Amino acid sequence: NAGVMQNPRHLVRRRGQEARLRCSPMKGHSHVYWYRQLPEEGLKFMVYLQKENIIDESGMPKERFSAEFPKEGPSILRIQQVVRGDSAAYFCASSPLLRQGADGYTFGSGTRLTVV
Amino acid sequence: DQQVKQNSPSLSVQEGRISILNCDYTNSMFDYFLWYKKYPAEGPTFLISISSIKDKNEDGRFTVFLNKSAKHLSLHIVPSQPGDSAVYFCAASPLNFGNEKLTFGTGTRLTIIP
Repeated sequence: NAGVMQNPRHLVRRRGQEARLRCSPMKGHSHVYWYRQLPEEGLKFMVYLQKENIIDESGMPKERFSAEFPKEGPSILRIQQVVRGDSAAYFCASSPLLRQGADGYTFGSGTRLTVV
Repeated sequence: DQQVKQNSPSLSVQEGRISILNCDYTNSMFDYFLWYKKYPAEGPTFLISISSIKDKNEDGRFTVFLNKSAKHLSLHIVPSQPGDSAVYFCAASPLNFGNEKLTFGTGTRLTIIP
């Protein structure tokens, strides 16, 4: 049973380009969460999605960032017109429908975005 | 506004001894607390959790203690092993599990000295 798959593992973008980060949840998991870790900081919540629904996007920057979790396919975190401050590790986590609390989270290995 | 604080960025402990990692929080709405372990270039892995109705939870070598009045929790690892060398994150969430949002501390890098 594959874990949470994130790709790419590393992504380099020039300022002003778009970054697309993908997350395939574990089999049977219908909830996806995105977190961002800036250098020397802890993980910060960005957005919580279920299939075709955004449940909580209180951690998402108001501009340039968007997330989706379509009926088919992976969840996508999209960052438009990237700036140097977007350089970070982006982690996706998934959990099953019948929640066991946050113990049920499984994190992926992350995508390290570098903006040059 | 750092609602979950881990004031020790790093800690070194001799193999076989006890490792104690500390975490403080400020938000009274937090009701569930977790510890995650993270190796370089990997995602965090869940280690142990505790709800506010308890003051202690134990799982093998790992024990988490919660002092709700002091808004403080700690993770004890005994005996410490070289494979325990990693970054440890404390995290918290509110009672309402309709919102799965976790608030993380900044982490403590634990190094076990053989």
